[in-house]
Amino acid sequence: DTEVTQTPKHLVMGMTNKKSLKCEQHMGHRAMYWYKQKAKKPPELMFVYSYEKLSINESVPSRFSPECPNSSLLNLHLHALQPEDSALYLCASSPSPAPRGYYEQYFGPGTRLTVT
Amino acid sequence: EDKVVQSPLSLVVHEGDTVTLNCSYEVTNFRSLLWYKQEKKAPTFLFMLTSSGIEKKSGRLSSILDKKELFSILNITATQTGDSAIYLCAVGGKSGGGADGLTFGKGTHLIIQP
Repeated sequence: DTEVTQTPKHLVMGMTNKKSLKCEQHMGHRAMYWYKQKAKKPPELMFVYSYEKLSINESVPSRFSPECPNSSLLNLHLHALQPEDSALYLCASSPSPAPRGYYEQYFGPGTRLTVT
Repeated sequence: EDKVVQSPLSLVVHEGDTVTLNCSYEVTNFRSLLWYKQEKKAPTFLFMLTSSGIEKKSGRLSSILDKKELFSILNITATQTGDSAIYLCAVGGKSGGGADGLTFGKGTHLIIQP
């Protein structure tokens, strides 16, 4: 089973709303990622979690707040977003880092976010 | 800044043709190169390459990496209409706690005409 699930599939929110995106995997992976993909563009890395600890933040604005409450679950909390934040938000996971550190990432179907 | 360049950006061929997609990269701390296929949904994993000169194959698809010249190619033989998709090349080089954030190229939009 190489499934990463994401909810909701679609989300429309106003600029003053607070919402959360959820990502779940049950493959025992210990690295999880958030990517943002704008229309007709490639995915861009936002955050990396390794063993439930934030290890990479690609200078993402503070209106995006990630959380990894356990090894299976990754959340992305959204607050005071701008219309230009509208995009497909992809979650991915990969097996435990080390010793080789070379593992493929499996992507979820994404949440399509529209900020109005 | 890490950079991944794919060519061509778009390609239209007829069913049965063979295609070669290119990916070159400039990465400070190269660890791996991955190929993904993306249709109207999330990217699906095709290959991961870490060593030069070793070809990876899966059915009609194959890929190889040249770490000296910093490029990879993805070959698809006997193309079918179901191969129509965007093919993304990504490089793992931003390591955080052993987990590699990926830098993606812009992708090659491949269209297979019947």
